[in-house]
Formats: sequence, C-alpha cells, structure tokens
Amino acid sequence: SQTIHQWPATLVQPVGSPLSLECTVEGTSNPNLYWYRQAAGRGLQLLFYSIGIDQISSEVPQNLSASRPQDRQFILSSKKLLLSDSGFYLCAWTPDLGGRSEKLFFGSGTQLSVL
Amino acid sequence: DAKTTQPNSMESNEEEPVHLPCNHSTISGTDYIHWYRQLPSQGPEYVIHGLTSNVNNRMASLAIAEDRKSSTLILHRATLRDAAVYYCILWNTGNQFYFGTGTSLTVIP
Repeated sequence: SQTIHQWPATLVQPVGSPLSLECTVEGTSNPNLYWYRQAAGRGLQLLFYSIGIDQISSEVPQNLSASRPQDRQFILSSKKLLLSDSGFYLCAWTPDLGGRSEKLFFGSGTQLSVL
Repeated sequence: DAKTTQPNSMESNEEEPVHLPCNHSTISGTDYIHWYRQLPSQGPEYVIHGLTSNVNNRMASLAIAEDRKSSTLILHRATLRDAAVYYCILWNTGNQFYFGTGTSLTVIP
C-alpha cells in the first residue's frame, strides 16, 4: 500500500534562518506531488506541484522553493524565513492516471513557527 | 480555475443527517466534484468525488444537481468525529486541487 511521510512534525525557526521540509511517498511510482500551506484559521494555499523529477510548477511567487531530486521525494526550502512563512505545511500526492480523476492523499503536516 | 462557494459554518445534532451544500455555477462539463474534510491539526482526507451521477460510499453520499451547478455532501448520521472543515473542490485534467475556506461543521451532542 502507498504511504506518505512528512517531517518534521513541528519546527520553530528564527527569522532569516533557512528551511528544509521533506516529503517522501512509498509504494507508488511517478506520483504527482504537492506542497500546500495553511495559515492559522485559513484555507489551504497551493504552493508548488510536480508531475516528475525536476519538473516543478510554482503557484505563488514568494521566498520559498521546491525541488524533486528523486521520483518520490519532494523538498520545500527557503534561504531566509520570514514571519509570514509561519503556518501548517502539507505535502500531498496523487497517482498519475493520465487525466482520470483520483484522490489526493495528504501527509500529516509540519507546523512551522517563525519567531 | 472554476470556483466553489460554501457556507462558512454549519451545525448539526448528533445522529441526525447533515446536508453540506456547495455552489459551482461556472463548472465545466469535465470538472470532477471532490469533497475532502480536515480534522484539527491534521491534513485533509478524501471523502467522495463524482462527475454527473450521485455517488455513495461508506463515509457519505454526494448528490449532484442535474445542471451540475451545485452539489450536496450528505452525512447520513452525524457523529462527534464528523466535526471538521469540509472542502468542496473542482478538479479537471491539467488543473490542480484548489481549496477554498470550506464549511466548518459543528456536531452538537
């Protein structure tokens, strides 16, 4: 069966520090991968999505970046965190079914507090 | 991307049915209607999805209007564990899953 792993669960970082959040999917190949962010009391904002290795699309311009060095690994990074980067970060995946609608599966999330 | 409109919040008594509405008047013919729910401090989980016909699964039922401009998620007997934020999303090939603010469901014991 397929599983998604996301870590760390919580993170407290000072303003201006770098960030690296990692997500891996097991039990499938060539998944579509997503990074979402949820500010406190708000809905989910799509940040990045990827349909393959080194194929990243950005939805919102900001000081975050994403990379996909391996088929089932998705990394969210920042060189210098801002206070506004605080939030609940979620990784998600769907199978690539060539256009058929399929479920979106989420990881357990990372609660990031930038102080 | 097509938009959906949901009430911000709803309440239901425990063990009673709940009907969560969603309007999507600009839906295209190939947009799928997805529903997800999010418990506090967790990632959203899939509930149900459909295209044109009504759908049933072990979690809920999805009723889709004949013109597809609206849909309703039906929880047949609300439990306290159903208290969550429910998101209605349209998905189409080449598009992504865009979440709005959803409906916060409170279940009253």
